[in-house]
Amino acid sequence: DQQVKQNSPSLSVQEGRISILNCDYTNSMFDYFLWYKKYPAEGPTFLISISSIKDKNEDGRFTVFLNKSAKHLSLHIVPSQPGDSAVYFCAASVPLISNFGNEKLTFGTGTRLTIIP
Amino acid sequence: KAGVTQTPRYLIKTRGQQVTLSCSPISGHRSVSWYQQTPGQGLQFLFEYFSETQRNKGNFPGRFSGRQFSNSRSEMNVSTLELGDSALYLCASSRDNNEKLFFGSGTQLSVL
Repeated sequence: DQQVKQNSPSLSVQEGRISILNCDYTNSMFDYFLWYKKYPAEGPTFLISISSIKDKNEDGRFTVFLNKSAKHLSLHIVPSQPGDSAVYFCAASVPLISNFGNEKLTFGTGTRLTIIP
Repeated sequence: KAGVTQTPRYLIKTRGQQVTLSCSPISGHRSVSWYQQTPGQGLQFLFEYFSETQRNKGNFPGRFSGRQFSNSRSEMNVSTLELGDSALYLCASSRDNNEKLFFGSGTQLSVL
């Protein structure tokens, strides 16, 4: 049962345009969401996060939007740059106090973003 | 501050063998998690250790096991290797009160 879903395995975007990566989740207990970026032969690195008490968090070119009613979040990258080409993983966690028996983070299957120069 | 270190970087084994992977977390991080990454499957959670105790466990068979030492370093072991165990095994550490995980570069395991 995939609790975090990234339905687009790949996405190609022209350099300078906006990249939008989407993520859906099913577990209403999730209250913290993160995006990780992964280059080949490297481990994922943290990019940006958002708490369920917010609906938007911005950090430079990266903005994450959270729609709790739709159980949907998205990552916007603008403007897109060639160095943004990577696999992006969406991840979610339940409150730590209720984390017993569950993994700290539940990851989606990833979206491979390719920025076309 | 050194990052999460995983050794070895690459491993080639044959079916039926066993393998041990090692992970040194970031200094001060007491939680260590292990994930398996295969194409199309994303990151699948294996287990999490905290203060030498396995705190959480994913849906993997008993052939997959791990442990954590008093210095927070962790090892995972896979016995009776199968072809399907070929994957990138990632270790991540965190402070206990922080959901943010810091990943190592992984160990790429190939089972022939």
